[in-house]
Amino acid sequence: EDKVVQSPLSLVVHEGDTVTLNCSYEVTNFRSLLWYKQEKKAPTFLFMLTSSGIEKKSGRLSSILDKKELFSILNITATQTGDSAVYLCAVKTGANSKLTFGKGITLSVRP
Amino acid sequence: NAGVTQTPKFRVLKTGQSMTLLCAQDMNHEYMYWYRQDPGMGLRLIHYSVGEGTTAKGEVPDGYNVSRLKKQNFLLGLESAAPSQTSVYFCASSPSTGVHYEQYFGPGTRLTVT
Repeated sequence: EDKVVQSPLSLVVHEGDTVTLNCSYEVTNFRSLLWYKQEKKAPTFLFMLTSSGIEKKSGRLSSILDKKELFSILNITATQTGDSAVYLCAVKTGANSKLTFGKGITLSVRP
Repeated sequence: NAGVTQTPKFRVLKTGQSMTLLCAQDMNHEYMYWYRQDPGMGLRLIHYSVGEGTTAKGEVPDGYNVSRLKKQNFLLGLESAAPSQTSVYFCASSPSTGVHYEQYFGPGTRLTVT
């Protein structure tokens, strides 16, 4: 059975802090790993990672994948209150590209 | 482009009642998915479709049926609702199964079964 584990499940930080969100996985037929941000409604896409060691970056957010150790991290620098959300990690597997999601990490950024 | 839309946004059902959730996408995507999201459980795949007229079971299919009669629509049916089906339901679509394509999500339907 495919498994995706995120940690920590929740954290509270203050504006300006840097946070690291973790995602580990045990799946068969790995194709890619995706990060989504969910603020009350639909998950919105952040990054897709397919190769080890190549950092994806968008503004203050960055992510990297380690296919040997089977994990990914999502870094957010200089956090803002608008970063408060649930961050979902998902792994795409198989010919039909099904996504297996982790339970999500709830990030709260206090002013 | 409306993207992925879901109808209704909220619904309250009594145990044993039936209903259909509608998902529509205007991006000409081939693949469509239904998920449920429960507190502390993440998103779990219920059913999915790889094209018009085809459907397949996901991780938690029991108690649900689906149909994909038109490429742009994916319907999720509950024949006899149970309190365990209280959840937020998300529909998603993807243009392809290729490695570099993400899934696009609708805004969700919050269903309560009493």
